[in-house]
Amino acid sequence: AQTVTQSQPEMSVQEAETVTLSCTYDTSENNYYLFWYKQPPSRQMILVIRQEAYKQQNATENRFSVNFQKAAKSFSLKISDSQLGDTAMYFCAFMTAFQGGSEKLVFGKGTKLTVNP
Amino acid sequence: DTGVSQDPRHKITKRGQNVTFRCDPISEHNRLYWYRQTLGQGPEFLTYFQNEAQLEKSRLLSDRFSAERPKGSFSTLEIQRTEQGDSAMYLCASSTYRGEKLFFGSGTQLSVL
Repeated sequence: AQTVTQSQPEMSVQEAETVTLSCTYDTSENNYYLFWYKQPPSRQMILVIRQEAYKQQNATENRFSVNFQKAAKSFSLKISDSQLGDTAMYFCAFMTAFQGGSEKLVFGKGTKLTVNP
Repeated sequence: DTGVSQDPRHKITKRGQNVTFRCDPISEHNRLYWYRQTLGQGPEFLTYFQNEAQLEKSRLLSDRFSAERPKGSFSTLEIQRTEQGDSAMYLCASSTYRGEKLFFGSGTQLSVL
């Protein structure tokens, strides 16, 4: 069974600075998807960024980028130029890409990020 | 596109009562998912539909839980004989393809007294 571990329960950063959230996962599969989702206090979960394991290039979405290390099973999220609106819970998640396999997302426990003015 | 909507937003019930939640996915999405989230935890998968077919159920989904998606449109999640341990946020999400992003609703917060 796949597991996702987020070792930082809480983090804080000053506005305009850069912060990195850590995520490791465990799987025996070779092809899969990895995600970072954001859940602000309003509670609606929103996708931040997505990575396909067969792509070596790290995904980037504006101020958000990932460092995907497949051999180390590591998938960290870097937020540049942090903004107050980035304050939220951040969840790392895994889904197998195996056709016919489970379509469930396996989530980590989350990291609570606070951006301070 | 009005997003994924869930109803009600909050539900307070007494132990032993039955409750039903509704989820309306984005209209062109054929995949619909239910997750449960307790305080301080990440969401846990409950069940998944592709169109009207329920293709996957978690072992978390005891026989007191049942989900339907008639006609492949909206979905309902029913919990019979609620227990205090059922208190949680119930999240619905929808998507078009495997591995694509999920669009989540705002959830239904259930409190069982």
